[in-house]
Amino acid sequence: DTGVSQDPRHKITKRGQNVTFRCDPISEHNRLYWYRQTLGQGPEFLTYFQNEAQLEKSRLLSDRFSAERPKGSFSTLEIQRTEQGDSAMYLCASSLLGALLDYTFGSGTRLTVV
Amino acid sequence: AQKITQTQPGMFVQEKEAVTLDCTYDTSDPSYGLFWYKQPSSGEMIFLIYQGSYDQQNATEGRYSLNFQKARKSANLVISASQLGDSAMYFCAVILTGGGNKLTFGTGTQLKVEL
Repeated sequence: DTGVSQDPRHKITKRGQNVTFRCDPISEHNRLYWYRQTLGQGPEFLTYFQNEAQLEKSRLLSDRFSAERPKGSFSTLEIQRTEQGDSAMYLCASSLLGALLDYTFGSGTRLTVV
Repeated sequence: AQKITQTQPGMFVQEKEAVTLDCTYDTSDPSYGLFWYKQPSSGEMIFLIYQGSYDQQNATEGRYSLNFQKARKSANLVISASQLGDSAMYFCAVILTGGGNKLTFGTGTQLKVEL
């Protein structure tokens, strides 16, 4: 397994456009997490899935954001009507329930809204 | 809610010297873990070391060690024999082991290793 993969690595979009990011976790990991990291800050939790169930959403996840993990494998994070404040690094991580040391991050998707 | 404080926005260290990066945390939950991650300019979060709240001994991983002082809620990272490749952003994070396992991060410390 090559780890957690995120696609694309970089995305530049115009304000008001919709964007979708993909995360492929480590295959046997049943938990998948999304974080957002703005410049000069640490990552902030957005949401997480256990298998296909979305179990928690942060208040940071406005109604313009939606995340899915349809078959308990890969996940997508969509941002509708992007705003300049959405510019950030979006990090995905996966883990196995009960195995904290398996917590693995992907390389992130850097979004720039112009 | 959990909180992590990293008071050193930037640190400099000479190659081959040791450096300590500070981290204090605040949680009322007795069961938690502390992580340190390295983030180079490319963006990926690289796991360095983990300490559980019930672990009696300080964690060590190669050149990394964690100075865990539970009563003071402190979990400082010590990097021994610094290398130029250690230059990066370093984040401390806390996780509640009984919950959803989401990480709460500090604001990070930018470490620069000099010749």
